[in-house]
Amino acid sequence: GAVVSQHPSRVICKSGTSVKIECRSLDFQATTMFWYRQFPKQSLMLMATSNEGSKATYEQGVEKDKFLINHASLTLSTLTVTSAHPEDSSFYICSVSYARGTTAYEQYFGPGTRLTVT
Amino acid sequence: KQEVTQIPAALSVPEGENLVLNCSFTDSAIYNLQWFRQDPGKGLTSLLLIQSSQREQTSGRLNASLDKSSGRSTLYIAASQPGDSATYLCAVANSLDDKIIFGKGTRLHILP
Repeated sequence: GAVVSQHPSRVICKSGTSVKIECRSLDFQATTMFWYRQFPKQSLMLMATSNEGSKATYEQGVEKDKFLINHASLTLSTLTVTSAHPEDSSFYICSVSYARGTTAYEQYFGPGTRLTVT
Repeated sequence: KQEVTQIPAALSVPEGENLVLNCSFTDSAIYNLQWFRQDPGKGLTSLLLIQSSQREQTSGRLNASLDKSSGRSTLYIAASQPGDSATYLCAVANSLDDKIIFGKGTRLHILP
């Protein structure tokens, strides 16, 4: 399966600052990457679908101006949390997916980034 | 709208016992169903993936079944070990909108 990395693994920032999280597909060229957010004791929620070379598709309720996604290449997608606030503190996970033939596809997940906004 | 439910939310069992985790989903139009393990503060580890055309998948002490028509999946863990303690997440991949929907997970604690 695909190997996915995220950087940083943990980040603490002050309220009002911006932080960038990188997601890399190490051995696979991913035309599509996904960003999820997980609050404590909650399920992972899809934030947006990142498509290489085009604008990301955001889920309802996710502010596109606050969570900037850039899918600059087939192996890199970045999520920038702008003007972060304590309520943005969460666990952010990216994933890559690919279809196998005409059947189902798998998603491979990165290790996640723990963001704490103070 | 697809909804994924996992029961129970938490489970504690003595070491060595066999156990079953349950997952149900409301829309049977899925590509696949996947079981993950998540350790506290960590990312996801994929355990088993069942395609919509399959009934079950096995890996070591783990066996996952899928009954798409009834919207149910189970994860069977044999001879549980303390190292199995983690949160187990079930997720379905919708075939209509290509989205993956997660359950809230079952927090499993294996008592030594």
